[in-house]
Amino acid sequence: QQPVQSPQAVILREGEDAVINCSSSKALYSVHWYRQKHGEAPVFLMILLKGGEQKGHDKISASFNEKKQQSSLYLTASQLSYSGTYFCGTVQTGANNLFFGTGTRLTVIP
Amino acid sequence: DAGVIQSPRHEVTEMGQEVTLRCKPISGHNSLFWYRQTMMRGLELLIYFNNNVPIDDSGMPEDRFSAKMPNASFSTLKIQPSEPRDSAVYFCASSLREYDSPLHFGNGTRLTVT
Repeated sequence: QQPVQSPQAVILREGEDAVINCSSSKALYSVHWYRQKHGEAPVFLMILLKGGEQKGHDKISASFNEKKQQSSLYLTASQLSYSGTYFCGTVQTGANNLFFGTGTRLTVIP
Repeated sequence: DAGVIQSPRHEVTEMGQEVTLRCKPISGHNSLFWYRQTMMRGLELLIYFNNNVPIDDSGMPEDRFSAKMPNASFSTLKIQPSEPRDSAVYFCASSLREYDSPLHFGNGTRLTVT
């Protein structure tokens, strides 16, 4: 039930782009994305609901393909502040639970 | 708003002792969640409440764990007796409408059981 994230870790230079993928074996109702910095709480980034939604703010955006049960998070022109661990959380259709993936550790270097 | 408030921030206790973690959700939020985070298992849902009623407690590890939400502004997670394998960071989160709205996490309680 836990979604699978890839890659597990990625290192970027400032200004480079990254894509983080999240996939589930179950039909999904929605996908959440959070970022957690070391020693801190997860912070909400966005929610995508079924319907092939695509959202974005600033230089972080995401897509949700419900047919493929997949979501991707896009980070463009990365900044040092983007460093952290990114988690997707999936809510299965008809379920009342949000399962978090194992996370993707993103490190942005100067 | 002050956000979700958890206490204590750190708790060190000996095996067999009772531990109580506390959480004050954001005012107006109808749903409250208790998550546990470890390196091995990641973020796991323990239990969640909607309008103070437990909805899903399937993630509670065993009878040693119990959670209550006596009113809309307070929840507790109790472990009795505690064991070393309970060592983890415990997060409380709240949301306006279950999983249809963002989860706002508290700063967590780092529990160490020796």
